[in-house]
Amino acid sequence: GESVGLHLPTLSVQEGDNSIINCAYSNSASDYFIWYKQESGKGPQFIIDIRSNMDKRQGQRVTVLLNKTVKHLSLQIAATQPGDSAVYFCAETFMPGNQFYFGTGTSLTVIP
Amino acid sequence: NAGVTQTPKFRVLKTGQSMTLLCAQDMNHEYMYWYRQDPGMGLRLIHYSVGEGTTAKGEVPDGYNVSRLKKQNFLLGLESAAPSQTSVYFCASSYGLAGGLNEQFFGPGTRLTVL
Repeated sequence: GESVGLHLPTLSVQEGDNSIINCAYSNSASDYFIWYKQESGKGPQFIIDIRSNMDKRQGQRVTVLLNKTVKHLSLQIAATQPGDSAVYFCAETFMPGNQFYFGTGTSLTVIP
Repeated sequence: NAGVTQTPKFRVLKTGQSMTLLCAQDMNHEYMYWYRQDPGMGLRLIHYSVGEGTTAKGEVPDGYNVSRLKKQNFLLGLESAAPSQTSVYFCASSYGLAGGLNEQFFGPGTRLTVL
């Protein structure tokens, strides 16, 4: 399968600062990407998605950036809060609706 | 709506035993998935289904079987459990291709230990 990896396995930020979580993907044919948040003991929860025909998408306090040239995806969280502490996964697919490939995850810790 | 539910939440098996994990969704989703999550690794797809009566293999299907007899249920079976199958299992569902929405909704997980 295709590899989806994250640059940093752990990230610690001060409350109120902005967080940036990175993800690299290897399949240039991937056309849909999702960021998930997983809190301890729970299943992954959808945060935001982006299609390959876009390079930026914004949600509430979150922004996803897609750079297809270098096959890089990032998740920006503004004004990080303690409730943002979790593991964040990126996932890609090149067969929409079928198989997603997940990265290994980045653990975000917010320091009060 | 309950969303995606999984039973059981926890289970301990001995090597060679069999069991079935049940996933149910009440969102009328066409697509359903079974993943396993191991420490330090991302989710890996075991099997999936694109509709009632259909199943397909994912990345790591060996040692597992699935059935989708009803649209709302997706069963994952282990015929002869092995310690390598110790993991947390997640079920997910999605609309699939309909409307281009592919967000997957995940259940809370089943923690399985095989001794």
